[in-house]
Amino acid sequence: DAGVIQSPRHEVTEMGQEVTLRCKPISGHNSLFWYRQTMMRGLELLIYFNNNVPIDDSGMPEDRFSAKMPNASFSTLKIQPSEPRDSAVYFCASSPSLGQGNTEAFFGQGTRLTVV
Amino acid sequence: AQSVAQPEDQVNVAEGNPLTVKCTYSVSGNPYLFWYVQYPNRGLQFLLKYITGDNLVKGSYGFEAEFNKSQTSFHLKKPSALVSDSALYFCAVRDMKAAGNKLTFGGGTRVLVKP
Repeated sequence: DAGVIQSPRHEVTEMGQEVTLRCKPISGHNSLFWYRQTMMRGLELLIYFNNNVPIDDSGMPEDRFSAKMPNASFSTLKIQPSEPRDSAVYFCASSPSLGQGNTEAFFGQGTRLTVV
Repeated sequence: AQSVAQPEDQVNVAEGNPLTVKCTYSVSGNPYLFWYVQYPNRGLQFLLKYITGDNLVKGSYGFEAEFNKSQTSFHLKKPSALVSDSALYFCAVRDMKAAGNKLTFGGGTRVLVKP
């Protein structure tokens, strides 16, 4: 398996533009997580899904952020409109649900977003 | 609510000396505990986990961790540190009884191993 695949790896955009980050989880994994990493705030959980259903989006900072998981093999995180303070590395991770043996999450390489 | 605390922002150790990175957790049910490592410009890599059974778990690259239920701790250890162990380390917890299997990380501890 190729692991969790995120695209793009780097994104530079102007303030006010829409940004869409993409994630393909590992096949067969039921849980998908979106995290944001910055120097100031560390690693923050934004939202996570179980069986394509959003379970907890309390970490989404503002209404400008939205996430979808239309099927088991694809998820998006959208920021509209983007602001300079959104600049960060965004990670996607997937794992089997608890009770299915392996329980650890596997991370993608991340998307480094820079909003100028 | 579940949480993880890593009390040290940075740990400095000389190569060849023992390395310890501290972690305490809080969950309402029984925990699944994890350690991850992050090298510069990379994603997080899984090191080891505690699910049940023996309190001392062994993982990749010679790392081990000890689960202590009474102290709600899961400290990461390595008997002899290498310069290549310099990285950012994260402790994480999943509550076995929490709906949706939320995975929560600590703030991370930067490890610097000096030659």
